[in-house]
Parts: sequence; C-alpha cells; structure tokens
Amino acid sequence: SQKIEQNSEALNIQEGKTATLTCNYTNYSPAYLQWYRQDPGRGPVFLLLIRENEKEKRKERLKVTFDTTLKQSLFHITASQPADSATYLCALDRGNQFYFGTGTSLTVIP
Amino acid sequence: DTAVSQTPKYLVTQMGNDKSIKCEQNLGHDTMYWYKQDSKKFLKIMFSYNNKELIINETVPNRFSPKSPDKAHLNLHINSLELGDSAVYFCASSQLGTSSHEQYFGPGTRLTVT
Repeated sequence: SQKIEQNSEALNIQEGKTATLTCNYTNYSPAYLQWYRQDPGRGPVFLLLIRENEKEKRKERLKVTFDTTLKQSLFHITASQPADSATYLCALDRGNQFYFGTGTSLTVIP
Repeated sequence: DTAVSQTPKYLVTQMGNDKSIKCEQNLGHDTMYWYKQDSKKFLKIMFSYNNKELIINETVPNRFSPKSPDKAHLNLHINSLELGDSAVYFCASSQLGTSSHEQYFGPGTRLTVT
C-alpha cells in the first residue's frame, strides 16, 4: 500500500528564515501531489497542487517541488512569519484516491 | 457562507450506541469524502462518494456506513460504537475531472466514546 512520510513531526525555525518540509512516498507516483495547512481544531486548508510533469510551483511565499525519480516533494515557505505556524500535510492524489502524510508541525519563532 | 459544514461539532457517547454525523457542501462538487484523524493527527480516508455512488471503501469496519441522500450531502452512520472510534472525523468535497483536485474540508466532528 502507499506510504507517505513527512520529515520530523516538529520543525522550529526563526522568523524570516526559509522553512523546508519534506514529503517522501513509496510505490507508485501520484498524478498530483497537494499540500495542505491545518490549524488546531480546524480542517485542513488547500495550499498548492503540483502535477507529476511539473518540477516546481510557486504561490506568493510558497514553493513546491516534485521529483518523481526521488519520489519526493519539498515545500518551502520563504520569509517565514509566526502566522505560518501550523501543521502542514502533503497528500498524494491519484484521481479519486487520496493518501495523506503524517504531517509536520511548524513553529516560527519571533 | 460555509462551504462544507458538519454537525455536530462535538459528540460524546457511550460504547454500544449508534450515532450519525451529517455533512453538507454548497460548492456544487461531485465528490464527497469522510476522513478519520486519530490522536496522532494522521488523516486517513474512509469513504468517498462520486455522484451518489461509492467509489472508494477503505478497510473500515462495516459498523460505519456512509449515506448520501443527494450530491450535496454525505452522512456517516456508526453502529455499536467502540472506544477506538474516538477521533476527529472530517468531511470534505472536491470536483473531479477538472484541473484542480483540491479538497475543501469541514470543521470536523470530535467523537468521544466513553
């Protein structure tokens, strides 16, 4: 079965630095890979989607890369702010099948 | 307007009871999902419905049964509740067949079985 691992359960960085989160998967490559943000007591919120034939996608301070050879996606937040503190989830999307990663809790220290 | 809504937000019940969680989406999406998030925050898909047809049924106990009266609603009924069913349950929706498969999640229902 598909297995998705995200680096370290918790990541602490200083405000203004770039946060880099990792999502590794096994077995088959998805058609799409998505990243979500989840705040305590709330449902996940969609951030970015990258397709299997795309190398990189950007949205404001967010950047996602997708390497199907390494079976890995990297999620970057540049110029991080305390408001970026949350849990970030990657999700493999194969059309109508979604598999979420274990999540990384990011804390941006002022 | 709330895109995906769930009721109730909190549900506390005893073992052996039967309960339902309701979900509604006003986005006009054709696919709805139920997820379970355990105490370790792992989000696992349970069911999805596309145009009122079940298209995924992960290995969940048959005590759990999704019911979709129409495209905008997907309710989750749970029979004979067990302690291990305690978790947060999320409903979500998406529109398949488009360039964007983003899912919209509800606020979650925290189920506690005592």
